[in-house]
Formats: sequence, C-alpha cells, structure tokens
Amino acid sequence: EVVLTQSPATLSLSPGERATLSCRASQSVSIYLAWYQQKPGQTPRLLIYDASNRATGIPARFSGSGSGTDFTLTISSLEPEDFAVYYCQQRYIWPPVTFGGGTKVEIK
Amino acid sequence: EVQLVESGGGLVQPGGSLRLSCVASGFTFSSYSMNWVRQAPGKGPEWVSYISRTSSIIHYADSVKGRFTISRDNAKNSLYLQMNSLRDEDTAVFYCVRVLKQLTDEVHFDQWGQGTLVTVSS
Repeated sequence: EVVLTQSPATLSLSPGERATLSCRASQSVSIYLAWYQQKPGQTPRLLIYDASNRATGIPARFSGSGSGTDFTLTISSLEPEDFAVYYCQQRYIWPPVTFGGGTKVEIK
Repeated sequence: EVQLVESGGGLVQPGGSLRLSCVASGFTFSSYSMNWVRQAPGKGPEWVSYISRTSSIIHYADSVKGRFTISRDNAKNSLYLQMNSLRDEDTAVFYCVRVLKQLTDEVHFDQWGQGTLVTVSS
C-alpha cells in the first residue's frame, strides 16, 4: 500500500500570503496524484489531478507540481475561502486508492 | 447538473447490516466507474470500494473485504453498497463518488454525493 504523508499538519498564514503544501509518497506514484480541498461540513472538492492539471472551475492561483515521490500544492495568494483542509490522493498503485492525512490551512 | 444522492444510512448495532444506495443523474451513469469513499468523524477520506462501468472489475479495501459488497444497476442509474458484520470502526459518512473521466479506470474523484451517515453502536 502506498502511504502518503502530508506536511505540515497545520499551516498558519494570512490572506494574500503564499501557501506551499507537501505530499510525500512511500514509493513512486509517477504523476498520478490528486489534491482535494475540504471545508467544514462540505464534501471534498477536486483541485488538481495527475499532479499538475487543474480541475474544471479551479482558479489559477492553485497549482500542483512534482512526480515520483514528492509533490507540492501551491496557492499563490490565499483568499479567505481557501482556508480549509487539503488532502492528496494517489491512483498509480491500487487497490487500495490511498489518501494523505491532510494539511489544515488556517488563518494566522 | 451532476447529482449523486445517497440513502440508507442510520444507526445499527455491531454485527448488523445496512444497504446503501446512490442514485445518479445529470450524466451518463453507465460510462463512469464508481466508488464508495468513507470519512470517519474528524478523519480524512478512506477509499472503500470500486466498481467498473460493466461491473466486471470490483475492488475493496482490506478493511471491508468479505463484509461489504458493491454493485450497480445501470438501467436504474444506481450504485449500492451492502454492508454486513458492521463494526464500531465502520462509523463514518459514506460517499458515492464518480471518477473524473468517463470510459476509464483512472481513480481520481470529481463528483461526490452529500453522503449518508452510518453509525455502528450498541
């Protein structure tokens, strides 16, 4: 099973700042990694798939990069609605499909 | 508009059974592989099960293998999850989830239902 480790667990930033979230896989997942955003009481929302492709309707301030075992989600300038929990997920070696433990982006 | 509407959750005693249903609309259901994903209170998502477009390929997480059965009825645009021998640790919101791309088995998830809560407790 591919274990995805996200860091940091919590990121405290102010609106307008740049957010950099990390996801590390226990073995290579090539480019087959996605990022999701989840706000309290809502379902996860797909942001990025296959490492760097923005899903439909996702603003350009969200970008993804990486391959192999190290991946990054960058939010170039935080908007108030971006404060949420972010999860990574791999589809390269499955079953099982696996998710990371999440990074909470909170207002500083 | 894509809609996935789950039902069938509730309170059940350990060892009991439940059957979850999901009705899909707004897209060609038979063209998409489908999944169940659950999320325990305060935890991240956990993939539970996958079913291909024609039901020819089915996968389960080890934690539910032998206890849960996924199925679908393309004529009814419906996805199901039969859950037997339920345990305390199965307590979660269960989501019906569609894969991103039709006619593929690429398991990134772009459409999620609102979920149905399953509580296993005596």
